[in-house]
Amino acid sequence: GAVVSQHPSWVICKSGTSVKIECRSLDFQATTMFWYRQFPKQSLMLMATSNEGSKATYEQGVEKDKFLINHASLTLSTLTVTSAHPEDSSFYICSARVVGELFFGEGSRLTVL
Amino acid sequence: LAKTTQPISMDSYEGQEVNITCSHNNIATNDYITWYQQFPSQGPRFIIQGYKTKVTNEVASLFIPADRKSSTLSLPRVSLSDTAVYYCLVPAAKIIFGKGTRLHILP
Repeated sequence: GAVVSQHPSWVICKSGTSVKIECRSLDFQATTMFWYRQFPKQSLMLMATSNEGSKATYEQGVEKDKFLINHASLTLSTLTVTSAHPEDSSFYICSARVVGELFFGEGSRLTVL
Repeated sequence: LAKTTQPISMDSYEGQEVNITCSHNNIATNDYITWYQQFPSQGPRFIIQGYKTKVTNEVASLFIPADRKSSTLSLPRVSLSDTAVYYCLVPAAKIIFGKGTRLHILP
């Protein structure tokens, strides 16, 4: 099946810094990617839908100025957590849809100290 | 958007068949039903997808009744490694996850 790769798989940063997470589709082109956040023992929460060449569509309650999403090419979408705080610590997962099937990245665990 | 409802958790024993049912009462005519498995600290992994009746692959079967308002994922002869969270999704323009079913396999 199609492969979606995330990088880094884990990152630790200090409060107030910004962190970028990359999501790449390795063997296909993805016009649309989805970003999720998952807290321990909870389900995945959709943060935004990332569209290549246009602005992302954010879900209600997700701060677009804090979670910057860029989808500059058909194989790369990035999520930047700006001025991260401890409450932003979470597991971030991206996915892409190919012919109706969703493929997920391995996830990126962010810990903000 | 078709909201999905699943049991929060289930326990079973190794070697048993496990059936997890998901309700999706307002599924649209063109919607497919997809099931994913997620292990801790990993992204969800595709298990099976279906539209109606029965679909079977090497790891699971999916049963969908005629009204398509529910679906049942069947895992034959589970092992300890099947302990995970299972999500049923009805993918639409947005992909919204329900709470999933936490399956715990006991020895």
